[in-house]
Amino acid sequence: NSKVIQTPRYLVKGQGQKAKMRCIPEKGHPVVFWYQQNKNNEFKFLINFQNQEVLQQIDMTEKRFSAECPSNSPCSLEIQSSEAGDSALYLCASSLTGGAERLFFGHGTKLSVL
Amino acid sequence: QQKVQQSPESLTVSEGAMASLNCTFSDGTSNNFRWYRQHSAKGLEVLVSIFSDGEKEEGRFTAHLNRANLHVSLHIREPQPSDSAVYLCAVGTSSGSWQLIFGSGTQLTVMP
Repeated sequence: NSKVIQTPRYLVKGQGQKAKMRCIPEKGHPVVFWYQQNKNNEFKFLINFQNQEVLQQIDMTEKRFSAECPSNSPCSLEIQSSEAGDSALYLCASSLTGGAERLFFGHGTKLSVL
Repeated sequence: QQKVQQSPESLTVSEGAMASLNCTFSDGTSNNFRWYRQHSAKGLEVLVSIFSDGEKEEGRFTAHLNRANLHVSLHIREPQPSDSAVYLCAVGTSSGSWQLIFGSGTQLTVMP
């Protein structure tokens, strides 16, 4: 069973609504990644954190997403105004160093934007 | 930018027969290659990580990396019906940001 916990498993929103998902990384893992997997199995890196600091994010994330990894609270990824094209599986992964170490993935949050 | 392609898109094998999956990439300077398996129930699990040319075995799963040929493969020995899943190849970028670029997957079906 995955030790990276993502909630909710499923999320349904209307266009323009906020969509928020959470991730509890594996204990002791300071590096957290968010990926978006579309229905064609294409993965897109969105953002990564080391502890509470953003390491890197893509333009789309910077403009339309809000993400944070506060200490002693789950990490979160929020789409400010959902679009139909945001419908996808959002995967959170954690790692000990963020380098060549293994990434451990959660089950994902499946977002459907109607 | 690194491009990762997997073949075949789908593969059906009989239980016990070797299953071989292929992955090609465009940037040979990467040194971080992983094979994942995606079960809808179990999420994404890492099978094998390989960081240098040659072979790496993890149980019934063996990865072969040949960076000169821009190719990494996964071989599954004695596959079982429970191995039926989507198999994803992921290549780490060589830039300092360390991102994984995923292929689009191979759907493996193992027939009893």
